[in-house]
Order: sequence, then C-alpha cells, then structure tokens
Amino acid sequence: AQKITQTQPGMFVQEKEAVTLDCTYDTSDPSYGLFWYKQPSSGEMIFLIYQGSYDQQNATEGRYSLNFQKARKSANLVISASQLGDSAMYFCAMRPRMDSSYKLIFGSGTRLLVRP
Amino acid sequence: SAVISQKPSRDICQRGTSLTIQCQVDSQVTMMFWYRQQPGQSLTLIATANQGSEATYESGFVIDKFPISRPNLTFSTLTVSNMSPEDSSIYLCSVSTSDGTDTQYFGPGTRLTVL
Repeated sequence: AQKITQTQPGMFVQEKEAVTLDCTYDTSDPSYGLFWYKQPSSGEMIFLIYQGSYDQQNATEGRYSLNFQKARKSANLVISASQLGDSAMYFCAMRPRMDSSYKLIFGSGTRLLVRP
Repeated sequence: SAVISQKPSRDICQRGTSLTIQCQVDSQVTMMFWYRQQPGQSLTLIATANQGSEATYESGFVIDKFPISRPNLTFSTLTVSNMSPEDSSIYLCSVSTSDGTDTQYFGPGTRLTVL
C-alpha cells in the first residue's frame, strides 16, 4: 500500500532554532518523488522541497533541507533558523511514478508553532 | 513555476445548490488536478482534469457530483453539485511541472461552507 505517515500532530520550536518534522513512507514502487508543502492559515499550499528516490544528495532549498534515508523510508524536513512566519501546517507527500494517475499521496500533516 | 488563480476564494452556500470553481493558469500545462481538503484533514485527489476528454476520477468521487471541464490548457472548472454540509471543504486546483520531478503547484484554494 502507498502511504505517508507523519507521527507528529503538533510541534513547538523557539524562534531561530532548528526543527525536524518527521515523515515516513511506504511504497513498493522503485521510483518515486517526495515533497514537502507548507499550508499557512490562509489555506494555500506552498511547495517547499523535492527529493527524487534516485537522488544521491539530500535536497536543500534555502533554510529547508530534506533528510532522506532511503533504507529507513524516511524523508524528514529540517527547517533551520526558524522564523515566526514558519508557523503553519506542513505536509509530506509522495508521487509513486508507476501510478498512472499522477496523484500526490499526502500525510496527515504536522502543525508547527514558532515561539518568539 | 506557474501562477495559478482560483475563483471564488470563498463562498457560503445553501444545501441543495451547486457551485462552480474556476482555476486559471498563466501558462499552458498538461496536467491539472482538483483536490479536496475537509476540515482538519489532509488533501485528497478528486480527479485529473484532461484537456479535450472526460476527467479521470479517483475512487469515491463521481462525475455527477463533481463535474469537471477542461476546455483548454490554461483553464478548468470544478462544480460541486447538490451540496450538503459534508461538502464544506477547501477545494484546490494544482498543476504539474514537466521538469521530470512531477512537482505540483497549487492555487490559493476555494474555501466552501455549506449551510
């Protein structure tokens, strides 16, 4: 079964500190993409970072990095130097490439609150 | 990435009525999708909007309830028909890149409340 698991419903982090949001996935597809999205209270979904299953290096985008551990099937998001504007819901998603529907499979999300 | 707009941004509707949501992209895209996000939940794909042919619906979603149009490569509509309070959700359209990553970019969403 294709599944994304986010075990942290809510997280707190102090401003300027780093935080790791957990994501594990399950797929039998050898080729897949992993994504993280941010959803502020406004409801829009903002793409943050992408990791391909065959990528050798962990993806980085500014303050976001993805800690990809393929053998453990985990794709944790690390946010460095947290800012108040980082407070939002964060969703991990997967795109199994053998799935002809092209759909993204989303986890249940983690609500991050950055404390001043 | 493409710039995506949706109309309306929010609406409050009476049960039994229908609402059509529009999604406009600033460039031609092959793949367009419609997702639903029920309150406090994650996103679920409703259907893939195919240009020039019928949409491809996911399990649990039917064309009579969620008819979709895709007249060209920059525009799509989703209609939520015969609404009930259970249809209260955020509806989001997305487009997929053709850069090999299949990254999907989302519109700002339509927040629907059904009374």
